[in-house]
Amino acid sequence: IAGITQAPTSQILAAGRRMTLRCTQDMRHNAMYWYRQDLGLGLRLIHYSNTAGTTGKGEVPDGYSVSRANTDDFPLTLASAVPSQTSVYFCASSSGDAEYNEQFFGPGTRLTVL
Amino acid sequence: GQNIDQPTEMTATEGAIVQINCTYQTSGFNGLFWYQQHAGEAPTFLSYNVLDGLEEKGRFSSFLSRSKGYSYLLLKELQMKDSASYLCAVVDSNYQLIWGAGTKLIIKP
Repeated sequence: IAGITQAPTSQILAAGRRMTLRCTQDMRHNAMYWYRQDLGLGLRLIHYSNTAGTTGKGEVPDGYSVSRANTDDFPLTLASAVPSQTSVYFCASSSGDAEYNEQFFGPGTRLTVL
Repeated sequence: GQNIDQPTEMTATEGAIVQINCTYQTSGFNGLFWYQQHAGEAPTFLSYNVLDGLEEKGRFSSFLSRSKGYSYLLLKELQMKDSASYLCAVVDSNYQLIWGAGTKLIIKP
């Protein structure tokens, strides 16, 4: 693989169900991010990880959790999905160099919660 | 609070020039990115400015004025494939990216 991959591409989920969105990068980037993108609101940061073993909360963390057991993987879990979590979810990574923080994005996961 | 403003939508003609503006008020400034996002796809990097002035890259240029909290993206010789959303993002004092809502650019023949 090259870059960042996300799975699944899309998912329809019943409210109350648990769901994990997967994200894997092969660029050996230290930092990884999860965003949601909703029409008219732009990208909003859910959680981030500056390096393996550490995570932090972004702008909209409620209802989501993440883990960073290794450099490559950064899964996002919805413990009990609600309809307001219907969105497009993007995973991104960057080298973590504070001087230049270009982020590279995965293809996204389109999630619908009914 | 932190705020980034961009026009919601712009329309331009194929072959013409368009300027997309971005104004920001953030806690600190450590650079500004422009990304392009085609419908249904992921954002992709276009440009990065950290010092005042104009950065030119082919048909695209990006300008920054830190004193005015202002940037613009200039697209020349517009092509139909330039129809996309253009996202402005500022690196704040915590080195996190703060994103604008994006400008949807519609190119007409």
